Amino acid sequence: DVKVTQSSRYLVKRTGEKVFLECVQDMDHENMFWYRQDPGLGLRLIYFSYDVKMKEKGDIPEGYSVSREKKERFSLILESASTNQTSMYLCASSPFFFRGYEQYFGPGTRLTVT
Amino acid sequence: AQKVTQAQTEISVVEKEDVTLDCVYETRDTTYYLFWYKQPPSGELVFLIRRNSFDEQNEISGRYSWNFQKSTSSFNFTITASQVVDSAVYFCALSEAGTGNQFYFGTGTSLTVIP
Repeated sequence: DVKVTQSSRYLVKRTGEKVFLECVQDMDHENMFWYRQDPGLGLRLIYFSYDVKMKEKGDIPEGYSVSREKKERFSLILESASTNQTSMYLCASSPFFFRGYEQYFGPGTRLTVT
Repeated sequence: AQKVTQAQTEISVVEKEDVTLDCVYETRDTTYYLFWYKQPPSGELVFLIRRNSFDEQNEISGRYSWNFQKSTSSFNFTITASQVVDSAVYFCALSEAGTGNQFYFGTGTSLTVIP
């Protein structure tokens, strides 16, 4: 069974704080993804990575950065959190060499920035 | 432009009714993949089904069935004899061979099954 875990289910941070969201997968997947989910907007891709130290911008990368130092771990960083980054953040992974393979999701982190 | 459209934002049905969730997609690729995910109140997205563009066969899995029609660019999902446990947000997604493993998600349909 694929398992994707995220470091926190709920997080409350103050405006201006640096925030780290961690994601770990145990299936040796090459691809990892960070999405944010907002009501009425569905899931929007922030960043993805298809290999260690590789990253690609998604649809809404502004205000975020990522780090992938190890294959199993993909971190999302909010350099200076703002209230408009209050959202649900979802991490996912999938194998690189299988086109059209489903993505496996973690439980999500609900971040509130006050 | 939205690649995946789920026009139904919220649906409510009474238990045991059948319900169909609509999904319309847009792509120029000839090779693509379509997915449905379920997001229960706990929050984690659960994979339900994958279909590739060369396989238009409908699929049935228990009370769930999927109707893929390339002619109308639709991939609809029907739940037969709905149950309270089916209450969730359902997402349709598209992956194109030309853009690798990136997914395009619809905005989701929130289904409430009333006992």
